[in-house]
Amino acid sequence: EAGVTQFPSHSVIEKGQTVTLRCDPISGHDNLYWYRRVMGKEIKFLLHFVKESKQDESGMPNNRFLAERTGGTYSTLKVQPAELEDSGVYFCASSQWGGYTEAFFGQGTRLTVV
Amino acid sequence: DAKTTQPPSMDCAEGRAANLPCNHSTISGNEYVYWYRQIHSQGPQYIIHGLKNNETNEMASLIITEDRKSSTLILPHATLRDTAVYYCIMKGGSEKLVFGKGTKLTVNP
Repeated sequence: EAGVTQFPSHSVIEKGQTVTLRCDPISGHDNLYWYRRVMGKEIKFLLHFVKESKQDESGMPNNRFLAERTGGTYSTLKVQPAELEDSGVYFCASSQWGGYTEAFFGQGTRLTVV
Repeated sequence: DAKTTQPPSMDCAEGRAANLPCNHSTISGNEYVYWYRQIHSQGPQYIIHGLKNNETNEMASLIITEDRKSSTLILPHATLRDTAVYYCIMKGGSEKLVFGKGTKLTVNP
C-alpha cells in the first residue's frame, strides 16, 4: 500500500514568487492534515480537511496560504506571494475517518524562499 | 501549545530498553495518548497510542498510569536506528496533533 506522497521534495523560490505543494494521501483516508516546521521551531498544525471540506484552518498563518482538496482526494497548498519566513518543511498527513486512528505522514516538502 | 511534558534528551545503550516518560496531567476523558517519532528530518512516524490500558505493538509498549496523568514509552531493545525525537501527544478523535519539543533519544553503540 502506498503511503502519503508529497512533492516536490524540495523547492527553492525567490521572495514574491508562487509555490504549490501537493499531497496525495493514503487511498481511502478522509482526513488530511497539513503541518509545517520552520527552522528551530516545533511542528505546527496548519489545517485539516475532512474529504473536500476544511474542518479546521486555525493554523493557517495568513491569507497568502491557500489550501484545496479536489474531490476529497489529493490536496494542494499554495503560497502566494512567498516570503522569507515561509521557509521550512511542510508535512502532510492522512488518517481514516472515525475513531482514534493514527495519522500517517509524508516525507515533507522542504521550501526555501530566498 | 503542547500539553505534555517530556525530558529534552535521553541516552540509551544499544540493545537495552529505552524508557521515555511523559507527563500529561491535564488529559481529559476523551483524549488518548499518542507517541510519534521523527528520525532526522523525515516525516513523523506513528508509534503507538492508548487510552488507559497498557498497549504493545511490534515497535513499542505504552504504559499508562491508572490516573492517566503520565505514561512511559518503552522500546524494549533499542537500536541505533531508534535515535530520534520522540513526541508524546494527547489527542481526541480526529483532532490535530499538537507537537511539543519532544525528547531527543540518542542510542549509543
